[in-house]
Amino acid sequence: DGGITQSPKYLFRKEGQNVTLSCEQNLNHDAMYWYRQDPGQGLRLIYYSQIVNDFQKGDIAEGYSVSREKKESFPLTVTSAQKNPTAFYLCASRASGNYNEQFFGPGTRLTVL
Amino acid sequence: DAKTTQPTSMDCAEGRAANLPCNHSTISGNEYVYWYRQIHSQGPQYIIHGLKNNETNEMASLIITEDRKSSTLILPHATLRDTAVYYCIVRENFGNEKLTFGTGTRLTIIP
Repeated sequence: DGGITQSPKYLFRKEGQNVTLSCEQNLNHDAMYWYRQDPGQGLRLIYYSQIVNDFQKGDIAEGYSVSREKKESFPLTVTSAQKNPTAFYLCASRASGNYNEQFFGPGTRLTVL
Repeated sequence: DAKTTQPTSMDCAEGRAANLPCNHSTISGNEYVYWYRQIHSQGPQYIIHGLKNNETNEMASLIITEDRKSSTLILPHATLRDTAVYYCIVRENFGNEKLTFGTGTRLTIIP
């Protein structure tokens, strides 16, 4: 099956620990994205990558880091510098071209205790 | 990207057409209207997009007014599985990677 996978579905961490969220896609998409969603809110863009070994900050990049060493993978690290890390994190990908929609993964719900 | 305004919530009877409005009065000439929906605790799902002509696909129809300041998403025969939050987004189709999601419309399909 083609698609985007995020693991795990639920993640718990202690305050002060870094945590890395996984995002993998087998759609051969060039662009990948990370969004954050808080309860009752819309999505906010954290980071995006249009091509391997390149990525750009979104609207709320502080306290987060990413890497894009492979086309299929775009992991997100939530660092201890992120003041309110508890949220629902969504990964998306998009094929090259101007008219293509973003496909989203199932999300990871991170809770920092 | 232009800002959009949607009602906070709507109800629709199962089997009836659900009509979800969106205002985007500041839309510019090269901005498209996109619709996504998000079922509880899942990732958003693309529905449809358009520039100025009405569009239809297997999921829905999109009606854009002639002045492009507003649009309506139509789900022709709503089912319980259509209960979700529906997001209307306007964006340029190139040179802009961001989808700006507002709070959307919470659509509840009533049995």
